[in-house]
Amino acid sequence: SYELTQPPSVSVSPGQIASITCSGDKLGEKYACWYQQKPGQSPVVVIYEDGKRPSGIPERFSGSNSGNTATLAISETQAMDEADYYCQAWDSSTVVFGGGTKLTVL
Amino acid sequence: QVTLRESGPALVKPTQTLTLTCTFSGFSLNTTGVCVSWIRQPPGKALEWLALIDWDGEKYYSTSLKTRLTISKDTSKNQVVLTMTNMDPVDTATYYCARMPNWGSWDFDYWGQGTLVTVSS
Repeated sequence: SYELTQPPSVSVSPGQIASITCSGDKLGEKYACWYQQKPGQSPVVVIYEDGKRPSGIPERFSGSNSGNTATLAISETQAMDEADYYCQAWDSSTVVFGGGTKLTVL
Repeated sequence: QVTLRESGPALVKPTQTLTLTCTFSGFSLNTTGVCVSWIRQPPGKALEWLALIDWDGEKYYSTSLKTRLTISKDTSKNQVVLTMTNMDPVDTATYYCARMPNWGSWDFDYWGQGTLVTVSS
C-alpha cells in the first residue's frame, strides 16, 4: 500500500521559515494537501491541490510538490503556527495520510 | 454554511459493532463530485482514513480495515453512516467525518468536531 513519510518533528524560530516535507513514490504525479491540527481541535486544510490556499489561510502558508516530495512552507512563522501538520494524497482508490509532523516554534 | 456532526456511542465493548452517524448540512451528497469520508485518530497518534462514499453511492475503504467497515448514505436525511464490526481496544479513537468537495482534488475542506469512542469491557 502507498505510504507518505513525514519527519516526526520540526523546530523553527519565530519569524523564520518552517519547511515540512512529505515523501511518497511519484508523489509529484498526484495532488497533495496539508492539514494543520492544534490540540483538541479538528484538522484544518491549509494547502490543497499542491499549492492552493483556502480562503482564510494566511499567505504565509505555501506548498509545492515535485518528484517524490511535497513541501509545506510557512514563512514568518508565528507562535500560533505551532501544531501538528499532516500531508494527504489519493492513491489506488484510497486516501493516504502521512504520519504527521509536530511543528515547534521555539 | 457547511457543518458536519458525528454521533454514536462513546463506549463500546470488545467484539461489538460500532455504528456512527455523520449528519451534515449546507451541501448535498447528490451534487456531482461531492464525497463524505470517515477518518479516525487514536489518542496522541496520526490520522487514519477509514472509508469514503461519493455522490453516486460508490464506496471506498481502507485496505487494512475493509473487511470490518461498511459506509452508507441516506441522502434524504443528509446522513452518512459507518459501521465497524468486531471492535477492539486498539480501535479507541476520535472518529471524524469530513467532506471532500471535489472528486479529483482529494482534500477535505470541512470536518466535524469528532466523537471519541472508547473500546473497553
